[in-house]
Amino acid sequence: QKEVEQDPGPLSVPEGAIVSLNCTYSNSAFQYFMWYRQYSRKGPELLMYTYSSGNKEDGRFTAQVDKSSKYISLFIRDSQPSDSATYLCAMSEAGGYQKVTFGIGTKLQVIP
Amino acid sequence: DGGITQSPKYLFRKEGQNVTLSCEQNLNHDAMYWYRQDPGQGLRLIYYSQIVNDFQKGDIAEGYSVSREKKESFPLTVTSAQKNPTAFYLCASSIPAPYGYTFGSGTRLTVV
Repeated sequence: QKEVEQDPGPLSVPEGAIVSLNCTYSNSAFQYFMWYRQYSRKGPELLMYTYSSGNKEDGRFTAQVDKSSKYISLFIRDSQPSDSATYLCAMSEAGGYQKVTFGIGTKLQVIP
Repeated sequence: DGGITQSPKYLFRKEGQNVTLSCEQNLNHDAMYWYRQDPGQGLRLIYYSQIVNDFQKGDIAEGYSVSREKKESFPLTVTSAQKNPTAFYLCASSIPAPYGYTFGSGTRLTVV
């Protein structure tokens, strides 16, 4: 079993839809949780990071962490065609330069 | 603008040849990383370095070598010992958590 599980998709939604992207994990020591967005043939870019449980909002994006269920989510409101990309979840055990474990990424397509 | 520069963007090499991928950053980050990305497997850590003249093996270091002679530079050599070198290679740098990585735009290596 992988430490981080993520459905690779692809996930296709109409423009304006609310998108829910999810990851589950098995390592209860993970404390830092991140979401990256990766466009085709580009490097990933950090979208959001959260520490421990709770929600964090940034514009149309909301990151949610439920440590009791070992489950994290990224919600995208009013999705746009420019949101079409692969979204990778990532997590690490502690601060400093701890190793980051990535999910395989979910490919999202927002159809105009 | 600060960032990470990877070069070249595309690289073709014959089987049995060593090849070096360049990674330079002007973010003044202490830590640098090399990842390999393959379809369906996500990001896998090859090597990482937290300070100059020191580096550690990641999960898939066999067939690769690195050096860290300057804070700004972390080149990766793909040697002939690497059994399946064709992949998308990503370099990243970071400051201590909770902040995530900053990635370069990647080098796509094809060995024929």
